[in-house]
Amino acid sequence: EAQVTQNPRYLITVTGKKLTVTCSQNMNHEYMSWYRQDPGLGLRQIYYSMNVEVTDKGDVPEGYKVSRKEKRNFPLILESPSPNQTSLYFCASSLFGGSSYEQYFGPGTRLTVT
Amino acid sequence: AQKITQTQPGMFVQEKEAVTLDCTYDTSDQSYGLFWYKQPSSGEMIFLIYQGSYDEQNATEGRYSLNFQKARKSANLVISASQLGDSAMYFCAMREGVPGNTGKLIFGQGTTLQVKP
Repeated sequence: EAQVTQNPRYLITVTGKKLTVTCSQNMNHEYMSWYRQDPGLGLRQIYYSMNVEVTDKGDVPEGYKVSRKEKRNFPLILESPSPNQTSLYFCASSLFGGSSYEQYFGPGTRLTVT
Repeated sequence: AQKITQTQPGMFVQEKEAVTLDCTYDTSDQSYGLFWYKQPSSGEMIFLIYQGSYDEQNATEGRYSLNFQKARKSANLVISASQLGDSAMYFCAMREGVPGNTGKLIFGQGTTLQVKP
């Protein structure tokens, strides 16, 4: 089954404790992206990757890191999480980065930082 | 700046009736894509339908159709024969064209649809 998977689905952590949210897709997509969803602010792009080893900042990259060493994986790293990073996070992928390609979303990771 | 506007925070519809969810967009790009996603209470984002800026025909996918009026910059979603399972949040989104393409989806604020039995 074609899908984007994320782990963990739910995470409660404390301020400053490094964490990684994994993202994997099995569709051989070149483009991958991370979004966060917050009430009243909608979904905003954190980072994106056009292909392996090619990553760039989105609209809200502060406090996050990413890497794209393999085509299928695009982990999101929070080196020192803070309470303002409490959010619902989505990983998404599409065949390419062009405007005509739909993005497939993972199930979401609900993160709480206390 | 590119922007998506959904002016209906919440909508009610009777089961089996049709409903239209409004979406207007703003862009200076000539090439762009318009998408609708459904987010049920469980949280996942489900792709519903796509319309390209150069497509002359309105997109349809089963009970979903997109009423695309390019001159008015509107891309309304029409759901025919509503079902209880259609109750969810619906997002209109636009994907940038080139140049300067980041591939991101720009989302509206969403419309919560409730289907009444």
